[in-house]
Amino acid sequence: DQQVKQNSPSLSVQEGRISILNCDYTNSMFDYFLWYKKYPAEGPTFLISISSIKDKNEDGRFTVFLNKSAKHLSLHIVPSQPGDSAVYFCAAIPRAQKLVFGQGTRLTINP
Amino acid sequence: NAGVTQTPKFQVLKTGQSMTLQCAQDMNHEYMSWYRQDPGMGLRLIHYSVGAGITDQGEVPNGYNVSRSTTEDFPLRLLSAAPSQTSVYFCASSTGNQPQHFGDGTRLSIL
Repeated sequence: DQQVKQNSPSLSVQEGRISILNCDYTNSMFDYFLWYKKYPAEGPTFLISISSIKDKNEDGRFTVFLNKSAKHLSLHIVPSQPGDSAVYFCAAIPRAQKLVFGQGTRLTINP
Repeated sequence: NAGVTQTPKFQVLKTGQSMTLQCAQDMNHEYMSWYRQDPGMGLRLIHYSVGAGITDQGEVPNGYNVSRSTTEDFPLRLLSAAPSQTSVYFCASSTGNQPQHFGDGTRLSIL
C-alpha cells in the first residue's frame, strides 16, 4: 500500500518554463513533507520541506505547496534550468525521522 | 567534510553468500537509517537507529540485520543473499528534526 504516490514517472519541460511535480499521500497523520533531488550514482539530497501547519514554502526558484484537504503537495521550479534535470522524490514523515518516499519523478529540462 | 560514507560502491554476490554494507557518518548524528531503492518503488526503509545501541525495523526488514555499537557506524548485514535483494542501498543520517543526509549508495547484485 503506497502511502506516498508520485503518479508521473517522468516529466519534460523546456528551459525557462515552470516545472510542476506532484505528490499525493493517503495518511492524514503525516505532518511534515520533504522533496529530495537525486542525480545518477549519487544519494538523494534534500531540496525543500514544508510543515503541515503551512500551505506554502519558498526557497529561491523552488516552492512547495501543500493542500491538506486534498492530501496533495506539489513542487514548482521557476525558471527551470538544465541542472534541474534529475529524479525528484517527495517524502512524508508520520513521526520523527521515519521517512516514507514516493516512487520518484524523472524531470528532464530541454534547452 | 565526508558526511555519510558508504562502502563498497558496487558488489556482486552469489545466492547464499553473506556480506556487510558499511555506513559511517562524521556529523555526530544520532539518527541513522538504511533504505533500498528499486525501480518504480522509491526508497523503502529497511532498518533505522535512533542512537547507539538502539535499532528498529522499517518497512522491509526481512533478510537484513543491523547493529549500532557506535554513533558513527551503522552496518547492514545480509546473512544469506537472495536475488530479491538486488538493489541500490542508501544509508542516511540526521539529527533532531533536520532532513536526512544520504550517502552515495551501494549497488548490489545477487546472482
